Amino acid sequence: LAKTTQPISMDSYEGQEVNITCSHNNIATNDYITWYQQFPSQGPRFIIQGYKTKVTNEVASLFIPADRKSSTLSLPRVSLSDTAVYYCLVGDYYTNAGKSTFGDGTTLTVKP
Amino acid sequence: EAGVTQSPTHLIKTRGQQATLRCSPISGHTSVYWYQQALGLGLQFLLWYDEGEERNRGNFPPRFSGRQFPNYSSELNVNALELEDSALYLCASSFLGKNTEAFFGQGTRLTVV
Repeated sequence: LAKTTQPISMDSYEGQEVNITCSHNNIATNDYITWYQQFPSQGPRFIIQGYKTKVTNEVASLFIPADRKSSTLSLPRVSLSDTAVYYCLVGDYYTNAGKSTFGDGTTLTVKP
Repeated sequence: EAGVTQSPTHLIKTRGQQATLRCSPISGHTSVYWYQQALGLGLQFLLWYDEGEERNRGNFPPRFSGRQFPNYSSELNVNALELEDSALYLCASSFLGKNTEAFFGQGTRLTVV
C-alpha cells in the first residue's frame, strides 16, 4: 500500500503562492495522485489529480517529478478562504477505495 | 443536480444503543464509500459498496456494518455504541472505476454519551 507523508501544518499570507509537498516513496505503477481539500465539519472536496509531470486546473497545479516518489500541490495567490486541511491520496481510485487512509493531511492557515 | 446527501446531520445516542446513518449518492453513481473522522484526525476508511455488494472493508469491528439498496443509497449501522464512536461519518459516491472522481457528503456528526 502506498503510504503518504505530508507536513502537519503550514502558514501563509494572503496573495502568496503555497506549495504543499507529499512524499509517496512506494507508489505503484498504476497509482494516481489525488489531492482533496476539507473545511471543518464538511466532507473533502476534490482539487486535482495527476499521474506524472504537471497538471493544472482553475484552482491549483500539481507537479510530479519523473520518479513519482513525491508530488507538490501549488495554490496560487491564496486567500483567507483557502484555510483548510489538504490531503494527498495515492492509489488507483479517487478515494483509493479503502486501500489506504487519507492520513492526517496538512493544515494550511492563511493569514491576512 | 443534487450532491451526496446524508441524514441525519447530527445524531446523539447513548452508549450501548444502535445508530443508523443514511446516504444518498449522486444520481448515476453506483459506488458508495463510508469514512469515519474522529475530531481533529484524518479519514479512516470503513466500507465500500458497489451494485449492492460490499467491495472492501476497513479495519473496524463487526459492529460496524452497512448495506446498499437497489437504488444505490446506503445505510451504515453501528451497534453497541461506544464513546469512541463519536465522530463525523462521511459518505462519498462515484461511478465504479478507477480514477473516477468521488464526491463527499456533508457528513453525520454522531455523538455517543
